[in-house]
Order: sequence, then structure tokens, then C-alpha cells
Amino acid sequence: NAGVTQTPKFQVLKTGQSMTLQCAQDMNHEYMSWYRQDPGMGLRLIHYSVGAGITDQGEVPNGYNVSRSTTEDFPLRLLSAAPSQTSVYFCASSLQGPPDTQYFGPGTRLTVL
Amino acid sequence: AQSVTQLGSHVSVSEGALVLLRCNYSSSVPPYLFWYVQYPNQGLQLLLKYTSAATLVKGINGFEAEFKKSETSFHLTKPSAHMSDAAEYFCAVSVGNFNKFYFGSGTKLNVKP
Repeated sequence: NAGVTQTPKFQVLKTGQSMTLQCAQDMNHEYMSWYRQDPGMGLRLIHYSVGAGITDQGEVPNGYNVSRSTTEDFPLRLLSAAPSQTSVYFCASSLQGPPDTQYFGPGTRLTVL
Repeated sequence: AQSVTQLGSHVSVSEGALVLLRCNYSSSVPPYLFWYVQYPNQGLQLLLKYTSAATLVKGINGFEAEFKKSETSFHLTKPSAHMSDAAEYFCAVSVGNFNKFYFGSGTKLNVKP
């Protein structure tokens, strides 16, 4: 039982490049979410999903796309990276939505030059 | 809209002293409230949560928090700090059926020997 896994751990991009951050969970959780963590700002919700085929926007969705084709996977796509997207990204999952306990992945540290 | 305010971005206590980390929320309807802990270079881990049952909630590692509706607060306490409690702590709120979590900006706890 691996819990929530994220790849890669670190990534450096140039402005304008695209990439996908991967997130997977093996707990059969319906609810999955993506956050970004910036110093002094806590975690901000980017996108979330309440089940396969269903996604919705969080607080800061601009510049990011998501899809949920399976229960296990919830990738986050940056279509055209910008320096403002330099951050640490966390994926989390829970059995259902709030108030179920969210389990967090180890994070991806992204730098956009 | 929901929001969370954590007073004090840095709190320093001596080992064995009381830990008090403050969290105030704004919500027009009864909220779910959470405290998470983050150790360096790790994801977040749930300490405790309030889900409209008992107002005094006990969590892991000896932490507890009290929901006070009249003060819109959910402060985190621990009677006696341990060196291993040094970490960053985040308060979060979720409301009703909105399926979204809102995090505070975090409080870094330093424990002095």
C-alpha cells in the first residue's frame, strides 16, 4: 500500500514549456485534489475531483489543466509554464470529500526559469 | 467565501511549555475544521478535525483543539511541548457541500531545549 505517490520530486522548466505532474493513489479514494504551496500563503487549491470523469476548479486554477480518467490517477498539466508557477505542488486524496481525512503525497518542487 | 487566519507565522516555546497555535475562520454556515502538521520536506499529515460532534477534539501526539462558535476560533494546544513537535502547522476549513478546503498561511513552531 503506497498511499499517494507523486512524480517527479523535482523539476526545472523554462518559460513556455509544458509538463505533467503525476499523482496516483492506491486506496480507492474518490476525492483527489491538487494544491500549490508558496511561502507565507499556505496551501491553495488548484483543482479537485470527486470521482472519475468529474473535475472542478479550486482557488487558483488558471494555467493548469486536469483530467480524471481513472480512480487512481489525477495528473496536473501546465500548458505553458510561467515563473509565477514556481512552487511546491501537493496532491491529496480522501475516501470522499470533506470532512474525510485527506492523505497527502510527498510533493513536487517545480522551478520555472 | 470561507477564509482562515492563523495569528503568528512563527511561535517559539521551550520544551515542556504549553503550545498554543491560533486559528480563526470565517464562514456563514457551520464548518468542518482541521489541523495539519508538516515536517520539513514532507507532505501534510492530519492532526485532528472537527465535524460538528464534540467541540473539544483530541488528536495525535497529545494535541487537542476546541471549537468555539462564538469566537469563530479553533485554536490548537498541547500541554507540554516536545522537541519533535517542531514543524509547521496549518489550520484548514471546509464548508457544507462545496468539496473545497481552504488553508491558513501556517505557523512554524520552534521548540527550544
